[in-house]
Order: sequence, then C-alpha cells, then structure tokens
Amino acid sequence: ETGVTQSPTHLIKTRGQQVTLRCSSQSGHNTVSWYQQALGQGPQFIFQYYREEENGRGNFPPRFSGLQFPNYSSELNVNALELDDSALYLCASRPRGRTYNEQFFGPGTRLTVL
Amino acid sequence: AQKVTQAQTEISVVEKEDVTLDCVYETRDTTYYLFWYKQPPSGELVFLIRRNSFDEQNEISGRYSWNFQKSTSSFNFTITASQVVDSAVYFCALSVPMYSGGGADGLTFGKGTHLIIQP
Repeated sequence: ETGVTQSPTHLIKTRGQQVTLRCSSQSGHNTVSWYQQALGQGPQFIFQYYREEENGRGNFPPRFSGLQFPNYSSELNVNALELDDSALYLCASRPRGRTYNEQFFGPGTRLTVL
Repeated sequence: AQKVTQAQTEISVVEKEDVTLDCVYETRDTTYYLFWYKQPPSGELVFLIRRNSFDEQNEISGRYSWNFQKSTSSFNFTITASQVVDSAVYFCALSVPMYSGGGADGLTFGKGTHLIIQP
C-alpha cells in the first residue's frame, strides 16, 4: 500500500470530450507527478506539481493540464480527447523532505477513448 | 535528455531458475538516480530499489540483487531462484534530482521487460 489513491478506476469517453482524473496523496506529499502509460509501453512523464504549481512538463501538449490542491489531492485534465489518449494514467507523489526522488504510485485510471 | 533501454521485451523461465533483466541508461548529468519498479497485472507500480549515481555498490535484498556499473551505464536486476509470484512487467527508470537545473524530476522509464515464470 502506497497511500496514493486514484479515481475513477476505469473511464470511457468519446473523441473530442474532456476528462478529469483525480489523485489523492498522503498528508505531507507536496510533490505529485502524472504519467501516461500506453499499452505495452513504459510510463511517460506528463508533468509535475510542487506546492500547487507546475514545475516541469514532458512532451505533452497544453490540452493536458493539472491542478494540485492544499489537501494533497490533484487533478489531471485532458481536453479535446483523441484516440491516442487511451492509456493507463498514473499519479505518483513524494513526501516532503525526500530529496532522492522516491515516488509512490497510485493504482492508475484506465481511460478508453472511442 | 535522458534515455533508458530495456532490450529484453519478454523473458520466460521455469520456476527456480535465475534470471537477469538488463537496463542501459543515457544521461549527461553527473548526479542521477536509477530505479527498478515492478508492475503486476493490477497495474500499480511497486518500488523495488533506488540507487544514486555516486553509489556503485551492488545490493542484495533476499532473492533480488542489482548490479550498477557506471562504466557501461548499466543497472541490471537479477532474481535468484525465481518464483511464479515474480511474474510481472519490470521497469527500469532514471531521474535527475529536482534541484539540479531547477526543474521537475520526472522519471524516464524504459519500455519494460515482461517476465514470465512458469511453474
């Protein structure tokens, strides 16, 4: 158990729609990252939030956006969904004071875009 | 930019055999961290080990061992006396510390090795 939860577990959307995925971290986890894992691939870094601000982004377009809240929860929003957005979305958080990048992953949300 | 290569897409062995999963990484940073994660069918990534770039000591944890060699940019993972419960996808990953360069420290993953342990 990592103490990181994600909702929903599964989600089906159609192309062009918008989706919001949620992540809840343990108290004190002030850094959260989001990853996209396509079938048969390794996770790819989308972006990271630190103290409620985005402080880094991977190779993903602006229609992928996020929020981090003071209660250690966060959201990933994806606009104008495309078929290639179908994937497992993972969030990972790190406790305050941990400077060596040990990230705790949630179980993921599987998004299917039809 | 960082890159992690796991050349073995799938490995199948019989229970109790030893198996080594290969990982080769690329980075220009002198300070970095290497990780191994296990992903069972449930999908959740399970942290196995972290190693920093200044610590080349090999590590053993029960049936698991890791061989870090900076000279060849490799961080290989060996399971001794494999068990059916070891069946999963294993990922090697690399990150640069958050305060090096001032940016985020997202993990760069390899494509994973699907390990199948047959009874």
